[in-house]
Amino acid sequence: QVQLQQWGAGLLKPSETLSLTCAVYGGSFSSYYWSWIRQPPGKGLEWIGEINHSGSTNYNPSLKSRVTISVDTSKNQFSLKLSSVTAADTAVYYCARGGVDTAVVTSRYFDLWGRGTLVTVSS
Amino acid sequence: DIQMTQSPSTVSASVGDRVTITCRASQSISSWVAWYQQKPGKAPKLLIYKASSLESGVPSRFSGSGSGTEFTLTISSLQPDDFATYYCQQYNSYPGTFGQGTKLEIK
Repeated sequence: QVQLQQWGAGLLKPSETLSLTCAVYGGSFSSYYWSWIRQPPGKGLEWIGEINHSGSTNYNPSLKSRVTISVDTSKNQFSLKLSSVTAADTAVYYCARGGVDTAVVTSRYFDLWGRGTLVTVSS
Repeated sequence: DIQMTQSPSTVSASVGDRVTITCRASQSISSWVAWYQQKPGKAPKLLIYKASSLESGVPSRFSGSGSGTEFTLTISSLQPDDFATYYCQQYNSYPGTFGQGTKLEIK
């Protein structure tokens, strides 16, 4: 049974850097792309970016200038850093596994999700 | 970015009802659509991918259809556990984008 376990700081001040990590337990790490997705309170879902085991990344252009996603294959973990946060970055952040029934030119759906981490940005 | 527009935003229904939720894409996305169910305080759960493929373990009362720009999620006979918010998502191109959600309420 594959599980995603995520953790990171839940309260930040404006201009600080958000940092979250997601660990993958019980399954293949190298066969998938791994994503971060966020959901502001009471609102919809926004894809942030993804990474695979070799470090290949794709980012949402709306956040690209502030986002870094990295991978540690020795620990089956991937991490998100979002710099210069503001109140608009307050959200539940999810890590998720990209589904494999896709085409070379498409992005991904998400078949496995972490529990989510609420990150609040407040002075 | 491709815009995904769901309708209705809210639907009220009773146990046993048949419910259909629609998602329209701002441009053709072939069959690259997924549907998710989300309950309060929980992560989304994948129901359908590639427009009509049922994710393993999802009850067969859930079905998806459509291609191009118009897609539907149908629940054939509502069960108490189905009252939740539903999201569509296109993955035809980057960035993947989600609809705004449809809240399914008990009538």
